[in-house]
Amino acid sequence: QKEVEQNSGPLSVPEGAIASLNCTYSDRGSQSFFWYRQYSGKSPELIMSIYSNGDKEDGRFTAQLNKASQYVSLLIRDSQPSDSATYLCAVIGSSNTGKLIFGQGTTLQVKP
Amino acid sequence: DTAVSQTPKYLVTQMGNDKSIKCEQNLGHDTMYWYKQDSKKFLKIMFSYNNKELIINETVPNRFSPKSPDKAHLNLHINSLELGDSAVYFCASSPGPGPYEQYFGPGTRLTVT
Repeated sequence: QKEVEQNSGPLSVPEGAIASLNCTYSDRGSQSFFWYRQYSGKSPELIMSIYSNGDKEDGRFTAQLNKASQYVSLLIRDSQPSDSATYLCAVIGSSNTGKLIFGQGTTLQVKP
Repeated sequence: DTAVSQTPKYLVTQMGNDKSIKCEQNLGHDTMYWYKQDSKKFLKIMFSYNNKELIINETVPNRFSPKSPDKAHLNLHINSLELGDSAVYFCASSPGPGPYEQYFGPGTRLTVT
């Protein structure tokens, strides 16, 4: 079992729709969860962090965390073509050393 | 006002050579990291330093040697380069070694021929 799992996609949504990206993790003691966006040829850009169960909203982005189910998700409302990128789920495990463990990323395509 | 910077951006070299990548952050962070992104785009941690002290040392060949002259700088030296070392290497920093957000540099694309 991979430590952090994502569906690699591509996930294709029409412009204006809600994109839903999902991630599961194996270390039940994990406390810190992050979503990064990576455009082709660019570096990962932090878009959301979440530490507690529930929802966290920032603009068009909502991160959701369910520690009991070991599940993290990212919702992007009113998707725009500029949101087309690879979205990386990352987790800091129970060792809490700052070691970020990444999923393989989900490629999102937003079609005009 | 670049937060995390790396040099060089591109590095093309032959097998067997030795090369270095440099990273600097001006965020005032205590912790810096090296990550490797392979051809399949999988991103994996290699090393981490907290205030010049090595705290994460993943299973990487000992041809890779990090060095942190101060908490704002982290360099990566690679000896006897191999074809499999071709990848994009990212530097990152965070306020500390715990559950903090990490900010990435622009990356160094290393190509070994």
